[in-house]
Amino acid sequence: GAVVSQHPSRVICKSGTSVKIECRSLDFQATTMFWYRQFPKQSLMLMATSNEGSKATYEQGVEKDKFLINHASLTLSTLTVTSAHPEDSSFYICSASHGQTNQPQHFGDGTRLSIL
Amino acid sequence: AQSVTQLGSHVSVSEGALVLLRCNYSSSVPPYLFWYVQYPNQGLQLLLKYTSAATLVKGINGFEAEFKKSETSFHLTKPSAHMSDAAEYFCAVSEGPGGTSYGKLTFGQGTILTVHP
Repeated sequence: GAVVSQHPSRVICKSGTSVKIECRSLDFQATTMFWYRQFPKQSLMLMATSNEGSKATYEQGVEKDKFLINHASLTLSTLTVTSAHPEDSSFYICSASHGQTNQPQHFGDGTRLSIL
Repeated sequence: AQSVTQLGSHVSVSEGALVLLRCNYSSSVPPYLFWYVQYPNQGLQLLLKYTSAATLVKGINGFEAEFKKSETSFHLTKPSAHMSDAAEYFCAVSEGPGGTSYGKLTFGQGTILTVHP
């Protein structure tokens, strides 16, 4: 089945650091990738939708200058949390879609980000 | 706009018993519906999906769900629970063709399934 690889799986860093998370589709071309944030014991909240070769579309309330998304190829999207602070600590999950209307999203294993 | 409500944040069953996880949705256009499972510190794995074909959908690991338009429901069932089914389950909805934001998933709050011996 379709595989999405997310790296790193866990990051612990100091406040003010910028952190980059990679999301790769390993065996299919992902025209669309999604970035989610999940707080403890809560559901996934969509942060942004990323289409290859174009600017990401951010959900209401998500700071685009804080969460930089790049989708430069059909197999790679990156999320950079700039100048991270403790309130940015969360579980970040990416997903990728083949792009056809009835194709489900395939999820990465998530990145646990802890800002000290 | 779309929304998903999962009734019951926690469900506990005995091994071998029926599993029923409830999901109701709201959508202004014909929906696509999904069930995902999440194990601790992992991403989501697709169990099954409904995309306007057969209303009874069979998924992996013995799970199935039935789309009932009149009840706006998409409940997940499994005849006999196994210890390995213990996890958190998420119901999700997206718009189908014709929707302005098709492909974007809206998740329910999740249901934690506990299976005891």
